[in-house]
Amino acid sequence: GAGVSQSPSNKVTEKGKDVELRCDPISGHTALYWYRQSLGQGLEFLIYFQGNSAPDKSGLPSDRFSAERTGGSVSTLTIQRTQQEDSAVYLCASSPTYGWDEQYFGPGTRLTVT
Amino acid sequence: AQSVSQHNHHVILSEAASLELGCNYSYGGTVNLFWYVQYPGQHLQLLLKYFSGDPLVKGIKGFEAEFIKSKFSFNLRKPSVQWSDTAEYFCQRRALTFGSGTRLQVQP
Repeated sequence: GAGVSQSPSNKVTEKGKDVELRCDPISGHTALYWYRQSLGQGLEFLIYFQGNSAPDKSGLPSDRFSAERTGGSVSTLTIQRTQQEDSAVYLCASSPTYGWDEQYFGPGTRLTVT
Repeated sequence: AQSVSQHNHHVILSEAASLELGCNYSYGGTVNLFWYVQYPGQHLQLLLKYFSGDPLVKGIKGFEAEFIKSKFSFNLRKPSVQWSDTAEYFCQRRALTFGSGTRLQVQP
């Protein structure tokens, strides 16, 4: 079946511009996660959604970052007024439920802020 | 806050050598532990997981891990590595907490 998909695969933007990153999770998965992967830094948790509950935003590094999940499916991560330190690979994952299942990862979006 | 530590950042081995990658987790809370692998240019994928029961867990591609509660450890092992095991390996604790990763390079 279809896995987690993300778009775009690569995004180059100028400092100060806004960007939107999209994630399509596996159908039926109630949990959706966003992570940021920087070279040598591992995976940094950003935000997760579980069903209809309020998202856990505790990992968002600043108020320039926000995310939404529409209809319990597709999610969009928005970064406003991008900075060079935002350059990283942004990974999305989904799982049947939160915490008790493996996560299925998408291919990521490589964001470069110039 | 829960945390996971991977102390080996970069490991270089020759083919057929044995592998052990360290993973230590912080005390407290639910202990669901996972190892993921990211092959060059590919998605992160699950190698194995531990929730409870037999502390020796077997995963795909000949990998195994042992949960040692007294040491707060969940080390990944493989008796004989292959060049195709070259990848980055991540230990995870219950959904949100990943270690910083270990880059494994296997030389033919």
